[in-house]
Amino acid sequence: DAGITQSPRHKVTETGTPVTLRCHQTENHRYMYWYRQDPGHGLRLIHYSYGVKDTDKGEVSDGYSVSRSKTEDFLLTLESATSSQTSVYFCAISEIGGNTIYFGEGSWLTVV
Amino acid sequence: GQQVMQIPQYQHVQEGEDFTTYCNSSTTLSNIQWYKQRPGGHPVFLIQLVKSGEVKKQKRLTFQFGEAKKNSSLHITATQTTDVGTYFCAGPSYNTNAGKSTFGDGTTLTVKP
Repeated sequence: DAGITQSPRHKVTETGTPVTLRCHQTENHRYMYWYRQDPGHGLRLIHYSYGVKDTDKGEVSDGYSVSRSKTEDFLLTLESATSSQTSVYFCAISEIGGNTIYFGEGSWLTVV
Repeated sequence: GQQVMQIPQYQHVQEGEDFTTYCNSSTTLSNIQWYKQRPGGHPVFLIQLVKSGEVKKQKRLTFQFGEAKKNSSLHITATQTTDVGTYFCAGPSYNTNAGKSTFGDGTTLTVKP
């Protein structure tokens, strides 16, 4: 497996609180992604990064922000968590944009 | 925007039967990738196809990329219980930012021993 570490792996939080998920890679890949996975919706791209401080929105970016201050770290922040953001979040990396993607093990987030 | 559709959504087979999942994109793809996700796990890369009409095999798995580069298929011969999981296709469109791929919703395969 690719060197991708997500933290926390499981979290329960209350509606309205901020939440930050962290992704750390040891592969020095340029591209990093945050996906969410929900039953019946497959994998949906939230945000992605194509370099340090270079980020772009995916198809479901509302309510999320990201930051990438170092090549190896990509943070996903839910400014004010809502129940609709209960999901499994996968961080992923890619050496070349649009090519092979390697996924982390996932972070299970429950917003109550 | 780009849409990627997979059919069927679910497939239940008896062990030893064949299985096929189909992937269709609304736009021409520069390449197509296939991933497998075991229950409770994360998606794992299987293969990438780049050329129009390309066919690749991995043991009992056969992958095809359509001539128009808008569709693909994954065929498993003589399924085994280890094939259980959800199979996703994904690919970047030629006319969007190549940094991102759109995933299909997946086909979930269950195999009855």
